[in-house]
Amino acid sequence: DTEVTQTPKHLVMGMTNKKSLKCEQHMGHRAMYWYKQKAKKPPELMFVYSYEKLSINESVPSRFSPECPNSSLLNLHLHALQPEDSALYLCASSFRLLTGANVLTFGAGSRLTVL
Amino acid sequence: EDKVVQSPLSLVVHEGDTVTLNCSYEVTNFRSLLWYKQEKKAPTFLFMLTSSGIEKKSGRLSSILDKKELSSILNITATQTGDSAIYLCAVEGSGGSNYKLTFGKGTLLTVNP
Repeated sequence: DTEVTQTPKHLVMGMTNKKSLKCEQHMGHRAMYWYKQKAKKPPELMFVYSYEKLSINESVPSRFSPECPNSSLLNLHLHALQPEDSALYLCASSFRLLTGANVLTFGAGSRLTVL
Repeated sequence: EDKVVQSPLSLVVHEGDTVTLNCSYEVTNFRSLLWYKQEKKAPTFLFMLTSSGIEKKSGRLSSILDKKELSSILNITATQTGDSAIYLCAVEGSGGSNYKLTFGKGTLLTVNP
């Protein structure tokens, strides 16, 4: 299995809703990521988990709450979002080569619309 | 702060043309440079270049790392309409947090029939 699977593919939510995005990989990668991508912009890093521990939080608002239940799963819990949070949310996982270089594999993304 | 600049930001060519996309970077303790292709959804991995692997080729695509000029190019020969996509360059350095890739803004390539 060489894929990163994200669900749902599309999500529409109101500003008072609570929802979650899910990500799964079975490649044995020990680093997992959440990126946010707006139209015609590059992906922006939100969170990184390394060996199931949060290692990077790029000053993301607390209305986004990540969770890594085990080495294969990564969730992003959403609560009280704003319309400007509408974007494509990309999950990725990676392994580090012996050279030290880090290769990310991305999922297909979850398209989020906040009304 | 690490910085990646891609040029041009957009490019329109005809099928069969050859294109060169550019990426320059400023990063603390360069570790690797990666090229991704993004069509409608997820970026897909193309190449990784490191200090020990400065040239890669796959079919009509090739990439070179210039460690002196702190830059990389991505060449696509005999372009096809299926090459239309955003091409992203990303760099990892080891000066800051491990696992953080810095992306450029991307080059939007449109290949017309």
